[in-house]
Amino acid sequence: AQSVSQHNHHVILSEAASLELGCNYSYGGTVNLFWYVQYPGQHLQLLLKYFSGDPLVKGIKGFEAEFIKSKFSFNLRKPSVQWSDTAEYFCAVIPNNAGNMLTFGGGTRLMVKP
Amino acid sequence: DTGVSQDPRHKITKRGQNVTFRCDPISEHNRLYWYRQTLGQGPEFLTYFQNEAQLEKSRLLSDRFSAERPKGSFSTLEIQRTEQGDSAMYLCASSATGATAEQYFGPGTRLTVT
Repeated sequence: AQSVSQHNHHVILSEAASLELGCNYSYGGTVNLFWYVQYPGQHLQLLLKYFSGDPLVKGIKGFEAEFIKSKFSFNLRKPSVQWSDTAEYFCAVIPNNAGNMLTFGGGTRLMVKP
Repeated sequence: DTGVSQDPRHKITKRGQNVTFRCDPISEHNRLYWYRQTLGQGPEFLTYFQNEAQLEKSRLLSDRFSAERPKGSFSTLEIQRTEQGDSAMYLCASSATGATAEQYFGPGTRLTVT
């Protein structure tokens, strides 16, 4: 079945550590790619998105993600995390033949220790 | 606050009862989406509307689930004859029209079926 996989379910880091969260998808063809974040007690909100062009996408709060088509990957990175980055992160895909239906990965829960 | 709102925020019901949830999208958005999120999983797409037209409903989980958006503004999601497996967070999102339009999520309605 076509899917979105996030390899790490839980990640614990100390402040100032670098972050990389993996995301792989199994759809062929063109895809639109997203990372959403859910801070404790808050709504899901968009961190960044990729539709076309430069495969290195910069989002809010210092996050970036790189689309590697050959690896079907869209990993999220941040050079130096802060305690306020503690949240759950979701990778999501819209295949280009799927209307506007977001397909989400299972999420990665990040805890940043002060 | 002009974001997506959902009502109620929490619903506890007994198995076999019917429940209805409401979503009010951002006012200028003509697309509205419903997702379901179970514990430890990412959101799962259910259905979406463009104005009052339901453009995709094949992902609704069973014929006990139905959604309406009668005037192209707010939407309701109804679950008939609830089962314990229906316990989940039900999320609503809205967006403008367009392939690159961002989906804005509401706070969700948490359903517990006892």
